[in-house]
Amino acid sequence: EVQLLESGGGLVQPGGSLRLSCAGSGFIFRMYAMIWVRQAPGKGLEWVSTVLGSGDSTYYADSVKGRFTISRDNSRNIVFLQMTSLRAEDTAVYYCVKDRRSTIAVAGDYWGQGTRVTVSS
Amino acid sequence: QSALTQPASVSGSPGQSITISCTGSSSDVGFYDYVSWYQQHPGKAPKLMIYDVNIRPSGVSNRFSGSKSGNTASLTISGLQAEDEADYYCRSFTRSNSQVFGGGTKLTVL
Repeated sequence: EVQLLESGGGLVQPGGSLRLSCAGSGFIFRMYAMIWVRQAPGKGLEWVSTVLGSGDSTYYADSVKGRFTISRDNSRNIVFLQMTSLRAEDTAVYYCVKDRRSTIAVAGDYWGQGTRVTVSS
Repeated sequence: QSALTQPASVSGSPGQSITISCTGSSSDVGFYDYVSWYQQHPGKAPKLMIYDVNIRPSGVSNRFSGSKSGNTASLTISGLQAEDEADYYCRSFTRSNSQVFGGGTKLTVL
């Protein structure tokens, strides 16, 4: 059974940093692209970042480019999202998503339950 | 990275069919057959319902179907059931190797 378990969310002040983690199990982790998607309170889904299976290629939404860094450790089946210079508008539930493919991210077939990030003073 | 355009809400009675549209551009929906659809019930994580425009993952009811014409993709739900009431989001791969979601559509089963 595929499982994605996010951790690392919490309350942080504007300008602060957080690192989200997502541990995957039940599938061959290195064979799939991994994605972070967020959802602000009462709002829709927003793609944040993608890392392809090998970890060599990463992509970011304009709203987080230069502030967030995605990475993965295929030896430990974990994907990370390092978030810096956090703003109030980054407040959201962050979902870790497994894609159906490795070399391109086109459809998330498994989603974690999400971890809440609140940026507030 | 402008969001794809979806109607804010649609409704239908049990047993009826509804269609949700998702309009993008020639750089996303119109360029690739990489449109997917997600169902989200309140307080829950989204669930993949359709991928690659019209393919249903294992376990998804055949009442759900997808299509695409030009820059617009569509999700059709036939034989509406009360459990279908949820928010629905489309998503597309883009020419800049990014992803873009639609704004979401709230489906109400009357």
